[in-house]
Amino acid sequence: DGGITQSPKYLFRKEGQNVTLSCEQNLNHDAMYWYRQDPGQGLRLIYYSQIVNDFQKGDIAEGYSVSREKKESFPLTVTSAQKNPTAFYLCASMVPARGTTEAFFGQGTRLTVV
Amino acid sequence: QKEVEQDPGPLSVPEGAIVSLNCTYSNSAFQYFMWYRQYSRKGPELLMYTYSSGNKEDGRFTAQVDKSSKYISLFIRDSQPSDSATYLCAGTGSARQLTFGSGTQLTVLP
Repeated sequence: DGGITQSPKYLFRKEGQNVTLSCEQNLNHDAMYWYRQDPGQGLRLIYYSQIVNDFQKGDIAEGYSVSREKKESFPLTVTSAQKNPTAFYLCASMVPARGTTEAFFGQGTRLTVV
Repeated sequence: QKEVEQDPGPLSVPEGAIVSLNCTYSNSAFQYFMWYRQYSRKGPELLMYTYSSGNKEDGRFTAQVDKSSKYISLFIRDSQPSDSATYLCAGTGSARQLTFGSGTQLTVLP
């Protein structure tokens, strides 16, 4: 079945640690996105990539980094510079073509700082 | 001001009621408008999308966009307990970046 797989589902991070969240898709979509969801704040865009080896900052990129070496993969690293990383992280992919706007989401990774 | 503002809720209705969920947006470049449904601890799933102004119906769901007033609505008829979820509106322009509202938590009571 085609879809987006995020792993792990739950992740615990100690203060000062970097952690990497995995996102893999087999939908052959060019565009991939990372969102952060906090209670009562909807989804906020962290980074997005329209094509392999290219990515742009979203609204809240500080303290995060990404790479896009393969079309299928868009991992997100939460660095120690992110002061409040506890949140629900969602990865999405989309076909950036006229006439279609459906973004497919993974099931999310819940990150907690301990 | 957020680009997409959404009624915060939470909203509780009895089974069978008509539900109205609303958003406003400020970005005139938005051309596509979407409603996503998100169950607890899950990723959002696309419910409906519309292009520009107008209505779109799919079963018990109707999406409505009024670009002149920058108003987005989702109506749910004959609501069911299984409709209990958080509903997120979103808009996007040619840049293909989805901008989401904060979500409305809906509970349909049996």
